[in-house]
Amino acid sequence: SSELTQDPAVSVALGQTVRITCQGDSLRSYYASWYQQRPRQAPVLVIHGKNNRPSGIPDRFSGSRSGNTASLTITGAQAEDEADYYCSSRDSSGDHLVFGGGTKLNVL
Amino acid sequence: QVQLQESGPGLVEPSETLSLTCTVSGGSVSSDTYYWTWIRQPPGKGLEWIGYISYTGTTSFNPSLTSRVTMSIDTSKSQFSLKLSSVTAADTAVYYCARDVEAYSGTYYDYFDFWGQGTLVIVSS
Repeated sequence: SSELTQDPAVSVALGQTVRITCQGDSLRSYYASWYQQRPRQAPVLVIHGKNNRPSGIPDRFSGSRSGNTASLTITGAQAEDEADYYCSSRDSSGDHLVFGGGTKLNVL
Repeated sequence: QVQLQESGPGLVEPSETLSLTCTVSGGSVSSDTYYWTWIRQPPGKGLEWIGYISYTGTTSFNPSLTSRVTMSIDTSKSQFSLKLSSVTAADTAVYYCARDVEAYSGTYYDYFDFWGQGTLVIVSS
């Protein structure tokens, strides 16, 4: 079992805003990073730290943290955003990394 | 642009040792900011962190795998390697190598900024 918990699936209407969450005690101490994975492709980093987007990631992607919950928000979801999203952070010991179980985003 | 490429056998027999190598190009492996990481993904399932190695040889492994995992690094070849012993069908997965960046923003945290394309390893006789 993962120390980071994500909802298995979330749906959003095209152009609307969606929040994908990641819960875990370690998130009170460590920032999460977020990855987008399209079918049969390697994951791609979309957000890291407080709210940092790598070059090439659209600004509709943003990140935040409150207590033990990290969130990835997509403002104005596009069809190409349909993918699996994973959060990652250090575990409670701080010595290891862990992934959440992943959230499948459906864009309707 | 940093690139990572996994290589190794796509088929391993049960109880044998899985061996993979990741070749890094476009950047140096010799930085204390980076940890060279292995991640796997069983078919249809989520991502699992296997562990990392630094350029000095410091390692950290997933507690659930630590008894079976060995990692090494060859900075002269810009390569790092994974060995997973006593494999079973449960070890069948796409194996990714990635670069873990240790960053600081009030606290240390990590992110994986570059990934290999992944290589499927099937454990079967």
